[in-house]
Amino acid sequence: GIQVEQSPPDLILQEGANSTLRCNFSDSVNNLQWFHQNPWGQLINLFYIPSGTKQNGRLSATTVATERYSLLYISSSQTTDSGVYFCAVDGSSNTGKLIFGQGTTLQVKP
Amino acid sequence: DTAVSQTPKYLVTQMGNDKSIKCEQNLGHDTMYWYKQDSKKFLKIMFSYNNKELIINETVPNRFSPKSPDKAHLNLHINSLELGDSAVYFCASSWLPAMNTEAFFGQGTRLTVV
Repeated sequence: GIQVEQSPPDLILQEGANSTLRCNFSDSVNNLQWFHQNPWGQLINLFYIPSGTKQNGRLSATTVATERYSLLYISSSQTTDSGVYFCAVDGSSNTGKLIFGQGTTLQVKP
Repeated sequence: DTAVSQTPKYLVTQMGNDKSIKCEQNLGHDTMYWYKQDSKKFLKIMFSYNNKELIINETVPNRFSPKSPDKAHLNLHINSLELGDSAVYFCASSWLPAMNTEAFFGQGTRLTVV
């Protein structure tokens, strides 16, 4: 089945710093989503981005489907950005089944 | 309005008991899912229903039985609970592929078996 790898596994930033999270996947995908799991455990949708580039405030994402990777950019990080960031993909299963990466744990220090 | 809601949020129970988790979505989606997040935060799909029909059944013990009374509801019943069932269970919903398949998740149910 499709493999999803995220890097780095852990990241510590000072408030105000920028960061880039990466998601590599092993096969073509119909769907790619980025989620933020906050310290209370909620999975928050960040981007639905099977291809192209999107921006939402301080966050932006780019997926290069032909090269099988996606990047999540966080600019001017805030302590509220702390948590785990997941990339999830739906391969060619036509079932909507999401395969999750192992996540990047981000800690933003004040 | 909560798009995907699960109850209860926390569930503590003894080994051997039977418990249920309920899920409802008001997004009009035709497909609902159950995912399990283990202690290392790894998320994996368990089941999926499309218009009340089971379409995904991963390798899950048959003590776990999903039930979908209608396309807006997908409940998870667990028999004879074991210590290893302790995890966070997430319900989700989306449209099936061929449309925008963005999935939305409930707030999770933290199950602790003692």
